[in-house]
Amino acid sequence: QVQLQESGPGLVKPSQTLSLRCSVSGGSIDAGEYYWTWIRQPPGKGLEWIGYIYYSGTTYYNPSLQSQVSISVDTSTNVFSLDLRSVTAADTATYFCARGAYTNFEGSLHYSMDVWGKGTTVTVSS
Amino acid sequence: IVLTQAPATLSLSPGESATLSCRASQNIGFNLAWYQQRPGQAPRLLIHDASVRATGVPARFSGSRSETEFTLTISSLQSEDFAVYYCQQWINFGQGTRLDLK
Repeated sequence: QVQLQESGPGLVKPSQTLSLRCSVSGGSIDAGEYYWTWIRQPPGKGLEWIGYIYYSGTTYYNPSLQSQVSISVDTSTNVFSLDLRSVTAADTATYFCARGAYTNFEGSLHYSMDVWGKGTTVTVSS
Repeated sequence: IVLTQAPATLSLSPGESATLSCRASQNIGFNLAWYQQRPGQAPRLLIHDASVRATGVPARFSGSRSETEFTLTISSLQSEDFAVYYCQQWINFGQGTRLDLK
């Protein structure tokens, strides 16, 4: 079955760019049905949706983070990546990658995330 | 759209039933999912389309909708069910309900 694994530095300095990768195994990232997603969770807090990318390169970002975020995909290596620019301590969180999908329910498209990576913790500190 | 979950914390014993609520600030139809997050783990999809169990989810988990009010019911609680539960619609998450062992 499909598995996702995050990787990247655990410590990033303020004002720098946080860069994470998500490796997809057990399935092809360009299968065409899925939206490859990033979510984060600050320590002791709830979940915040960051954005997703389709294998073609189409992206959608959370409007609250849009100016700070870029997500890219490399179908040749089955990896998608997150860049978060100009980070501050508020960006300290566990970052999860996930597989998103739409279901067609009574003619309406509904989005949810059915496979998740284990998460990677990133601390922003000098 | 704002999703408001209640209660913030629910303390129950194994074998009891749990009722968790998620209220949407406007009509979202059946466009709601529920996730379980155990300590130190990633969230796990339980329910999508308000009431459809995800693959492999036990039948004791059920979801329902009444207009903008959504309910996750867990019947006969097992030890592994004590966790935090989140509802989600599109890019929005509720703040979570913690289900604690009484």
